[in-house]
Amino acid sequence: ETGVTQSPTHLIKTRGQQVTLRCSSQSGHNTVSWYQQALGQGPQFIFQYYREEENGRGNFPPRFSGLQFPNYSSELNVNALELDDSALYLCASSLPRGGSDTEAFFGQGTRLTVV
Amino acid sequence: AQRVTQPEKLLSVFKGAPVELKCNYSYSGSPELFWYVQYSRQRLQLLLRHISRESIKGFTADLNKGETSFHLKKPFAQEEDSAMYYCALKSNTGKLIFGQGTTLQVKP
Repeated sequence: ETGVTQSPTHLIKTRGQQVTLRCSSQSGHNTVSWYQQALGQGPQFIFQYYREEENGRGNFPPRFSGLQFPNYSSELNVNALELDDSALYLCASSLPRGGSDTEAFFGQGTRLTVV
Repeated sequence: AQRVTQPEKLLSVFKGAPVELKCNYSYSGSPELFWYVQYSRQRLQLLLRHISRESIKGFTADLNKGETSFHLKKPFAQEEDSAMYYCALKSNTGKLIFGQGTTLQVKP
């Protein structure tokens, strides 16, 4: 059984640029959620994907977008980067709510720095 | 509003002392609550969930709906318990709402 993997682990971008972060979900998990964790804060929900469709969104602007692929891997795209986007971005995979096991398994995160 | 509050940013205790990490929540409906832990240089991982009513690594947490609390307790802290602890609420849409986290420091 493979765990959740994210790439890259670290990234530095310039304000105004665009970034794509990637996540491979745990084997057998068809639901992927993305979280933003600013320094000293708890993770904040960005959005969730289930079977390639967005299935819930947090309080983030439209320049945060995502994709889920048929193999359940996922991407988080952020356009027009701002300094405040600097954070640790976490991906979590799970079975959908209502399943017998709804534990979310987290990746190690991507540390994004916007300069 | 759905919210999780962890009032202490840092809790420092000596080895062998009891530990209580506080968590209060605000949620209309039946909450599903979790404690996650992040050890140094490791990923966030589930410690325990209220529906399981289990004890993991000596930690327990009881859901108190009257006080809207889900405090994490351990009678005798160990140095290896030093970590960041997050209380989280699962909404009916499946998203996790995290508190700000409490750093537990267990001194020798």
